[in-house]
Amino acid sequence: SQQGEEDPQALSIQEGENATMNCSYKTSINNLQWYRQNSGRGLVHLILIRSNEREKHSGRLRVTLDTSKKSSSLLITASRAADTASYFCATGTQGGSEKLVFGKGTKLTVNP
Amino acid sequence: NAGVTQTPKFQVLKTGQSMTLQCAQDMNHNSMYWYRQDPGMGLRLIYYSASEGTTDKGEVPNGYNVSRLNKREFSLRLESAAPSQTSVYFCASVRGQGTYEQYFGPGTRLTVT
Repeated sequence: SQQGEEDPQALSIQEGENATMNCSYKTSINNLQWYRQNSGRGLVHLILIRSNEREKHSGRLRVTLDTSKKSSSLLITASRAADTASYFCATGTQGGSEKLVFGKGTKLTVNP
Repeated sequence: NAGVTQTPKFQVLKTGQSMTLQCAQDMNHNSMYWYRQDPGMGLRLIYYSASEGTTDKGEVPNGYNVSRLNKREFSLRLESAAPSQTSVYFCASVRGQGTYEQYFGPGTRLTVT
C-alpha cells in the first residue's frame, strides 16, 4: 500500500512560475526522497531529506519536511518546459532499511 | 558507467508463457529492487535483495520469482504470465552503507495478452 500521497495529482503552470507539490505520509520515517520521471523513462533521484532535517536546497529545488504533520513539500522555482514530468515522493522507514514506499505522483506540465 | 541496465525494453507475452527480465548494475551497489508501475498507481515493490545471496518479498510478490545471480545482476521471472502482470517493470539499486538514493533502469514494458 502507498505510504506517501502527493497533492495535487496534476499541476499545469507557465514557464517562469514556481511549482509546489506536497506529500503526506502515514508512519514514522528515516528519510523522504523526491524523484522525477520523464514520460517513458526511469525515475531519477532529485533530493533526499532526513527525518532530523527541516529544509534542504538543491539548485532550483527546495524541500521541506514537517515530521509532526507527516508532510513534505517540493518547490521548483523559475520552472522551465524541461521540468515537465511526474514527481514522486518516497519514504524510507525507520530501522535503517533502504526500502522505499512510493506515492502515486504529481504530473507537472510547464507550458512555454 | 552504464548505471542500471534492463533487458528487454519491450515484450509481449501470451497468457501462460514464461519469461525472465534481466537487470544489471555496474556501480558496485549492494541492494537491488524490482518494481512494477501501473497507471495512476506509482511504483510498487515486487522483490528486493539487500545483498548478494539474499532476496525478500515486497508488497506484490505473487506470480514472480527472483534470483540475485551475483552482486551485479538481479533477474525477475514470470513463470506463467497473466494479463494482470501487464505493466512497466523497473529495476533499481542502492549503494547501501547508510546511503538511500535509488538508481533506476529505463524499464521494461510488458504486455500479456
